Amino acid sequence: GESVGLHLPTLSVQEGDNSIINCAYSNSASDYFIWYKQESGKGPQFIIDIRSNMDKRQGQRVTVLLNKTVKHLSLQIAATQPGDSAVYFCAEIPITGRRALTFGSGTRLQVQP
Amino acid sequence: DARVTQTPRHKVTEMGQEVTMRCQPILGHNTVFWYRQTMMQGLELLAYFRNRAPLDDSGMPKDRFSAEMPDATLATLKIQPSEPRDSAVYFCASGSILAGKNNSPLHFGNGTRLTVT
Repeated sequence: GESVGLHLPTLSVQEGDNSIINCAYSNSASDYFIWYKQESGKGPQFIIDIRSNMDKRQGQRVTVLLNKTVKHLSLQIAATQPGDSAVYFCAEIPITGRRALTFGSGTRLQVQP
Repeated sequence: DARVTQTPRHKVTEMGQEVTMRCQPILGHNTVFWYRQTMMQGLELLAYFRNRAPLDDSGMPKDRFSAEMPDATLATLKIQPSEPRDSAVYFCASGSILAGKNNSPLHFGNGTRLTVT
């Protein structure tokens, strides 16, 4: 499989537990945020997004929280499953200037059966 | 199920050779991005196009890299001459991004793994 980061922080959870993955973003002018999941040998896969006029958004088993005051984003996965094991990236797009995704460094989630 | 298609999936070449990577974006998407992923640098933006026009290629080494969109169904990234430090996974992504308006998330291909020896 491909390597996506030699020194990624790793979160290890038990199957069935809830997972929380955190991300600090850098640009206070960012207005759109996305969480991606990357499995070995594949490209990043969209999970959930949130715009800066919201502080919470829920999907199926996932919730994204946005705290613009401290520039913090989190991804909560409910009832974590072995298939959730992957590297998770947060990404942001600024409201002005280069309107391209800037990715964080990623967190590896390991789900123990 | 629409997806971004990248070819080849793997490429091994010798230093100095030309490498061309291809991407077929999702039909209807107006923006195409090229990213590079390495162990040390993570995901780096190389270049992106909107409506086939290059908008930003500041992340790309200009002397050896070039990116083009000859038509709406094909984006190419070329390296000439290639060097060992170019070894990485190169991802193409497409989306609908409108200036000043709501955006859609980018959809990524499964990448081209390039090894330059």
